[in-house]
Amino acid sequence: AQKITQTQPGMFVQEKEAVTLDCTYDTSDPSYGLFWYKQPSSGEMIFLIYQGSYDQQNATEGRYSLNFQKARKSANLVISASQLGDSAMYFCAMREGRSGYSTLTFGKGTMLLVSP
Amino acid sequence: ETGVTQTPRHLVMGMTNKKSLKCEQHLGHNAMYWYKQSAKKPLELMFVYSLEERVENNSVPSRFSPECPNSSHLFLHLHTLQPEDSALYLCASSQGRNDPSPLHFGNGTRLTVT
Repeated sequence: AQKITQTQPGMFVQEKEAVTLDCTYDTSDPSYGLFWYKQPSSGEMIFLIYQGSYDQQNATEGRYSLNFQKARKSANLVISASQLGDSAMYFCAMREGRSGYSTLTFGKGTMLLVSP
Repeated sequence: ETGVTQTPRHLVMGMTNKKSLKCEQHLGHNAMYWYKQSAKKPLELMFVYSLEERVENNSVPSRFSPECPNSSHLFLHLHTLQPEDSALYLCASSQGRNDPSPLHFGNGTRLTVT
C-alpha cells in the first residue's frame, strides 16, 4: 500500500488565486512528520513546510500553509496568492518514527501550473 | 559555496562504463542520502549514511556502490549499468533528528545509460 498518496497529477491556477494540493498518508506510527517540497524544472528539491504529528496548530510559512487533518490522515498544502514562479512539481513526504537521521517517503507529486 | 552541490549535472554513459557521482554538503550536517527519481515514480531512497556509517541500503543492485569518506562528501560509483537506471539522482543531507530536520537536496545528476 502506498504510504503517501497525491491524487492530483496536475493542477491549474490563475495568478493571485489560492490553490490546494492534496496529500493523504498511511502510518500506524504515532510519531511522524509530514513535509512538502517544491521541484522546479531545474531539478532541485526545495523544502517548503513541515507538520509534526503532535503539533496542535497547522503549520504556516509565508504564503504556504498546511491543512492538517489528523483523523482523516490528510496534510494538504495551501498556496495563497499564487505567483508564476510557483509553477513546479510539488511533493508530499512523510518521516515515520524516531532515529538519528531523517528518511522520507515521497508521493508521486502534483504538477502545478500558474497562468497569468 | 553553500548548500548541497552535485557533480556532474548531466552524465551519459554506456553500459560497460564506470563513472562516479559526487555530492558535497556545506551545511555541517551529519547524515547524507542518495535518492533516485525516475519518470512518473515517487522518489526512491537508495542509501543513507549517518555519521559516515551506512545505515540503510534499500535493496539497491550492487552495480551502485556508495562511498562516504567524511561527513561532507558522498559518492555513488556506477558500473555496468542498465538502460532502466537512467534517472535523476538526487543527493541530500540533514542534521540529526531534531524536528523538523528536513532533507536539503542538491540539483541532481541527470544520468542517461545508452
